[in-house]
Amino acid sequence: ETGVTQTPRHLVMGMTNKKSLKCEQHLGHNAMYWYKQSAKKPLELMFVYNFKEQTENNSVPSRFSPECPNSSHLFLHLHTLQPEDSALYLCASSQDSGREISTDTQYFGPGTRLTVL
Amino acid sequence: DAKTTQPTSMDCAEGRAANLPCNHSTISGNEYVYWYRQIHSQGPQYIIHGLKNNETNEMASLIITEDRKSSTLILPHATLRDTAVYYCIVRSPLGNEKLTFGTGTRLTIIP
Repeated sequence: ETGVTQTPRHLVMGMTNKKSLKCEQHLGHNAMYWYKQSAKKPLELMFVYNFKEQTENNSVPSRFSPECPNSSHLFLHLHTLQPEDSALYLCASSQDSGREISTDTQYFGPGTRLTVL
Repeated sequence: DAKTTQPTSMDCAEGRAANLPCNHSTISGNEYVYWYRQIHSQGPQYIIHGLKNNETNEMASLIITEDRKSSTLILPHATLRDTAVYYCIVRSPLGNEKLTFGTGTRLTIIP
């Protein structure tokens, strides 16, 4: 139990559906992340939010839309996905000290296993 | 571009020490070495990190060579629950620097 929860744990959706993934962290952190892990591929960073502001979008297609309403919650809204988007989506959080030298550790949630039919 | 090189897989007998090597020959002077692991179908779990000195916590020990071009993660008494993919990551200390995961080492603990 890392203090980062994700719901749902499993999701099956059609290409025309709209769904959302939710992440909540109970660690008092101020930075949150979305990662994608496809089969037999390394984890890929998708988005970074720092103090609720998006600080990184790693060339992610617009069919993935993140939302960070506060520092404890992070959503990933999904629409018109493709079968190749099927993957494990992982959320993480960390405490960014704001100092130039920071060794903040990221804590990951259990992930949402997404299957797009 | 993961900046690190790790063996694809390793086996270790239960109860023995598991020594996982990592090469990071292009590491910069201010970059840290981080280790995470990922048990099947779970999120990655932080293990340990270090800069120059050897580090130890309740999970593992990290030995960094004097030239900092390689390191070894040591699990002192491996259990079956230590079976996982272990990632060695080199990371700048600049705030919010992202973690870049490679393919890691798949460690299998054998009963």
